Parts: sequence; structure tokens; C-alpha cells
Amino acid sequence: DGGITQSPKYLFRKEGQNVTLSCEQNLNHDAMYWYRQDPGQGLRLIYYSQIVNDFQKGDIAEGYSVSREKKESFPLTVTSAQKNPTAFYLCATTAGATSSWGEAFFGQGTRLTVV
Amino acid sequence: AQSVTQLDSQVPVFEEAPVELRCNYSSSVSVYLFWYVQYPNQGLQLLLKYLSGSTLVKGINGFEAEFNKSQTSFHLRKPSVHISDTAEYFCAVSAVSTGGFKTIFGAGTRLFVKA
Repeated sequence: DGGITQSPKYLFRKEGQNVTLSCEQNLNHDAMYWYRQDPGQGLRLIYYSQIVNDFQKGDIAEGYSVSREKKESFPLTVTSAQKNPTAFYLCATTAGATSSWGEAFFGQGTRLTVV
Repeated sequence: AQSVTQLDSQVPVFEEAPVELRCNYSSSVSVYLFWYVQYPNQGLQLLLKYLSGSTLVKGINGFEAEFNKSQTSFHLRKPSVHISDTAEYFCAVSAVSTGGFKTIFGAGTRLFVKA
């Protein structure tokens, strides 16, 4: 089945640690996105990538980093510089930056908690 | 620039009653409109979309939405809700931007269906 796989589903981080969230897709979509979801604030864009080896900052990129070495994979690292990382993180894809009118497909999310 | 406003953060409703979730947007260019549903601790799923043509669009699970260009609205409706419709609903607006489509999500409306 085609889809988007995020792992792990739950992640606990100690203060000062970096953690990496995985996002893998087999939809053959060009564009991939990372969103952060906090209660009552909707989805906020962290980073996006429209093509392999290229990515752009979203609205709240500070304290996060990404890579796009393969079309299928777009991992997100939450660094120790992110002061309030506890949130639900969603990975999404669109078929292409200039196709599908922006219709997005989402993974099941990773809930990150700082302990 | 685009913006999306979901006018109600929470909507409680009794089972089998009708419901309307409101969404207004602003944009200086033509837009494409989407409604997504999110069940607890899951990703978002597409409910329906308006790209062009008939302003009344039908989606999954008996939901429908009407695009009103003059009022810049895209309200979601269901004539009779079920307990299983309890979820969070997001309105999204997509428009062509530099390098591809830019999608903005509303803050979400939590629908709570009571027995």
C-alpha cells in the first residue's frame, strides 16, 4: 500500500538532547513537509522540500533541521535549541510543488514529549 | 498573502442533528479549498476539495461544502451527524506561489457529537 510512515509514534526526549523523527513515503511524491501541531493553533509549517537535496524554512524553523538525501525520506531533527519541543509532529507530502493543487497526504504523526 | 479563519474552535452537537463548521479565507489570487479531518492521535485525512466547477462539493462520510466566492467562505455541512464524526476538522487554502503551491491551514474546529 502506498503511504507515509512516521516513526516512532511516541518519543521522549531529555532536555538538551537532539532527537530525529523519521518520515518515509512510497507515493513517489516530490514535495514533503513537516508541521508542528499544538492545541488550538492548527498546523504550523517547520520545513519543506520540493526536490531532493533542497529544502526551505517554513514559519517556525528555529531549533529544527532537516535533510532530503532521498526522494522517499525527509527526517526532522529537533535540536536542543528548540526551547519548547513538546508537540505533535506531522509529515505530509504533495504530488509536486506545482501539481495536485496543494492536496496533501499526511502520516500518522509523532508525539514528542520532553521529560 | 492568504489567510484562513475557522470561526468556531469547538462545536458541540447532539447525534443526528445537522452541523455546519465555518471557514472564511482571504487571498489576492484564485485559491483551491480543502477540508481535512483528524481523529485523536492520527494524521489528517482529506474530506473534500474544491478546485473548480460546481460550488457544492461532496466528500466522504456524508459531508459537503459550498464555495461562496463573494463571501470568501467554504463552510462544511452534514445533515445528520454520528458519534463517530467526533474529531477535529481543518479548513485549508492553497494558492500558486513562488516555486509552487502554498497551503495555509486554519486553526481547526473540534466537533463533539453527544448521544
